[in-house]
Amino acid sequence: GAGVSQSPSNKVTEKGKDVELRCDPISGHTALYWYRQSLGQGLEFLIYFQGNSAPDKSGLPSDRFSAERTGGSVSTLTIQRTQQEDSAVYLCASSPGLAGGIRGFFGPGTRLTVL
Amino acid sequence: ILNVEQSPQSLHVQEGDSTNFTCSFPSSNFYALHWYRWETAKSPEALFVMTLNGDEKKKGRISATLNTKEGYSYLYIKGSQPEDSATYLCALIQGAQKLVFGQGTRLTINP
Repeated sequence: GAGVSQSPSNKVTEKGKDVELRCDPISGHTALYWYRQSLGQGLEFLIYFQGNSAPDKSGLPSDRFSAERTGGSVSTLTIQRTQQEDSAVYLCASSPGLAGGIRGFFGPGTRLTVL
Repeated sequence: ILNVEQSPQSLHVQEGDSTNFTCSFPSSNFYALHWYRWETAKSPEALFVMTLNGDEKKKGRISATLNTKEGYSYLYIKGSQPEDSATYLCALIQGAQKLVFGQGTRLTINP
């Protein structure tokens, strides 16, 4: 596609359930980021993938959060045993990397609500 | 760890007034700075990419300046309109690769 896509756009789940959020970056973009914005808060970095390098997981808030990027393209963010504080908009962004000017292109986000 | 600070966190401005806000960052190892505009229910959209000390960029009524020696960038909006209401994010490039975002400035224009 022409831009970054994310699915689902909205997800309502019950506390304790696992959820998977998907990001399809722009084709050829080597860098992929996950961020989230909780209500009333700023943008919070979660994880960063760059090419085949080990991901930067320094922003993941707990071990209930994990992410993978398969084949250098699609990424899945998994939240296990969801808690109410996990409710947020989860944004994915991709970037062409150094050669392409690094500018980030964002997806529309997934709004996660944990009841 | 790179720390990007934005101030103020939120701002209310009367329609027609001009305003500005700040992005502060460590001045060492600067590579590039981005400004994004994030409207409610939409994706953040890139406004400017700034790389050189003294850079000034302009897009309509919005402009930005960059001072890499002292570690700040200003975003200016002239003659604010209701459609300018959004969160404005700045992001720094760390290690020439990774985007590091500030918390954003939430701008509300009152008609």
